[in-house]
Amino acid sequence: EPEVTQTPSHQVTQMGQEVILRCVPISNHLYFYWYRQILGQKVEFLVSFYNNEISEKSEIFDDQFSVERPDGSNFTLKIRSTKLEDSAMYFCASSRTGRNQPQHFGDGTRLSIL
Amino acid sequence: QKEVEQNSGPLSVPEGAIASLNCTYSDRVSQSFFWYRQYSGKSPELIMSIYSNGDKEDGRFTAQLNKASQYVSLLIRDSQPSDSATYLCAVSASGAGSYQLTFGKGTKLSVIP
Repeated sequence: EPEVTQTPSHQVTQMGQEVILRCVPISNHLYFYWYRQILGQKVEFLVSFYNNEISEKSEIFDDQFSVERPDGSNFTLKIRSTKLEDSAMYFCASSRTGRNQPQHFGDGTRLSIL
Repeated sequence: QKEVEQNSGPLSVPEGAIASLNCTYSDRVSQSFFWYRQYSGKSPELIMSIYSNGDKEDGRFTAQLNKASQYVSLLIRDSQPSDSATYLCAVSASGAGSYQLTFGKGTKLSVIP
C-alpha cells in the first residue's frame, strides 16, 4: 500500500540553525500538508499546499517557516533560525483531493532543538 | 476558534468488550470527520472516515455522526489488547478550499487482557 515517507526520522539542531524536513507524498495525491505535535499535546495544522502554492496556513506558520515542492516527488518544510519551542514531531500528510478525502500521514520527523 | 473535544481518558475496557469513544466539535460547517489511531511515539493512522449522518461500519469499527448535535463517535467491538492506543478525532470544514484537519487531544484506550 502506498505511503507517505519522511526523512530524517530524527533531527537534532542547535538553536538558531536552519533545518529542512523532507517528505515524499503518495504519488497520485494532489494536496500536501504539514502538521506538528509538541510532546503531550494535540496535533496542530501548519500549512497546506496545492498546485505549487500554499492554500492555507495557521498562525503557527509564521515567517520562519516555508514550504517547497522542489521536484515532482518531494515536499519540504524549512524552518529558519530554529527556536527551542520548535521542538516537536512534524508530520507530513497527503490526500488525493481536498474535499471529503482522508489525509494519510507519514511516520514523522522528531525535531530536537538544543 | 474551531474546537474538537474528546475525553482524555484513560478509558479501560476488558478484552472482548465494546469500547465507545466520543467527540464533539464546535464548527457547524464541518463536513468531514475522521478517526485516527496513534500509538505512543508514532504517527496518526487513519481508522475511519465519515461524511454524512448515520453509521458507517468497517470490520470491528463503527463510526457514528450526528451533525445536528455536532457529535461523532467510534465504537470498537471485540476490543483487543492491540487496540490500546490514543484515538484522535479530526474534523475538516471542507469548504471554500479549507481542508485542514482540527484534532482533538485524543482519548487513551487501554484494553485489559
